[in-house]
Amino acid sequence: GDSVTQMEGPVTLSEEAFLTINCTYTATGYPSLFWYVQYPGEGLQLLLKATKADDKGSNKGFEATYRKETTSFHLEKGSVQVSDSAVYFCALTINKFYFGSGTKLNVKP
Amino acid sequence: DGGITQSPKYLFRKEGQNVTLSCEQNLNHDAMYWYRQDPGQGLRLIYYSQIVNDFQKGDIAEGYSVSREKKESFPLTVTSAQKNPTAFYLCASSIAPDRASPLHFGNGTRLTVT
Repeated sequence: GDSVTQMEGPVTLSEEAFLTINCTYTATGYPSLFWYVQYPGEGLQLLLKATKADDKGSNKGFEATYRKETTSFHLEKGSVQVSDSAVYFCALTINKFYFGSGTKLNVKP
Repeated sequence: DGGITQSPKYLFRKEGQNVTLSCEQNLNHDAMYWYRQDPGQGLRLIYYSQIVNDFQKGDIAEGYSVSREKKESFPLTVTSAQKNPTAFYLCASSIAPDRASPLHFGNGTRLTVT
């Protein structure tokens, strides 16, 4: 069935470090792919999305490329800030949404 | 600003009591959803509705009920039949239930049942 697998956390980085959070998916059709961010005590916010192969989604310095050949949608940021500390969820949708289990990111000053 | 309002933010109930969580949206979205989030886990779909007066069970509907009498509102009732109701509940909406429409989330209600 359709599913999303993302790297387990927590991921701890120093400020200005490079971030990668891995996400791979399994889908029977042609899904759209999303990254959401959740700050403590809040709901999920859409960070970026890509709707077809080779699309690159980007927002607030984060980016992810839809790779059909490797069924991946890894999240990257060149220089993280303390304010990026949150839980990040990868998700796909074809006819319903499937979420990964979330990756907690801690950024130290 | 348009958005999704969930209330209350925190809710405490005794075991055996039914409780209703509110979800209102002013985004004019057709589809609405309820998810449950447990620590360290992803989101699990409880119920969803694509149109007024219609809704479908999600993956973990047992012990829950919903109604969709108005486009803007999608309340969730956690009944006494739900064996482990303590969790963080998230309401979401989308323009239409198609593959390109992202979900927009409320800020959640944390339910504690003792």
